Amino acid sequence: QITLKESGPTVVKPTQTVTLTCTFSGFSLSTSGVGVGWIRQPPGKALEWLTLVYWDDDKRYSPSLKSRLTITKDTSKNQVVLTMTKMDPVDTATYHCARLYWYGSYWFFDLWGRGTLVTVSS
Amino acid sequence: QSVLTQPPSASGTPGQRATISCSGSSSNIGSRTVNWYQQFPGTAPKLVIYRNNQRPSGVPDRFSGSKSGTSASLAISGLQSEDEADYYCVAWDDSLNGPVFGGGTKLTVL
Repeated sequence: QITLKESGPTVVKPTQTVTLTCTFSGFSLSTSGVGVGWIRQPPGKALEWLTLVYWDDDKRYSPSLKSRLTITKDTSKNQVVLTMTKMDPVDTATYHCARLYWYGSYWFFDLWGRGTLVTVSS
Repeated sequence: QSVLTQPPSASGTPGQRATISCSGSSSNIGSRTVNWYQQFPGTAPKLVIYRNNQRPSGVPDRFSGSKSGTSASLAISGLQSEDEADYYCVAWDDSLNGPVFGGGTKLTVL
């Protein structure tokens, strides 16, 4: 069974740095074509892609948030960690991680975690 | 403001066919494949269409996808009350070098 689960603080203060962990099982991030991405969703709003890391440690970041994001993977622990700096109330959202399959001519996020709600408030 | 444009709402009665559109540009839909997700309140998105028109295992054949130029569509035939959800399109964007999502469409089954 393939699962992904997000964990991290539920409340952070403005200007702080938040670290979220995606712990997964049932697949390996060392398998060619596999990646893990982070996608967030503010309450009542649309999905927004943040970042992703591929099996070969190649990384991609949303241009609008690139300066604030860092993604790392620990293949031995089956974890992917997202760090986001300078948190602001507008960053309040549910943060999901998802498995990505990349086939060159096509790709998709096929399985998602339930997400973790991060509220930014003083 | 989402890179891909979807209507905020769509509706249909049980048994009818509903269609949701997704408009993009040459750097995303025009040159890349489109995926569609279904999301119920408080739950994770579920993949219902990938590679423009492919259904993952377990997704009913009432769901179908198509793409033409810089636009894509999701069609749901034989609408059921359980289809009432939010639907999102997504495509890779070569200019942004990452996925871009639509703003989502809330489908109501009347």
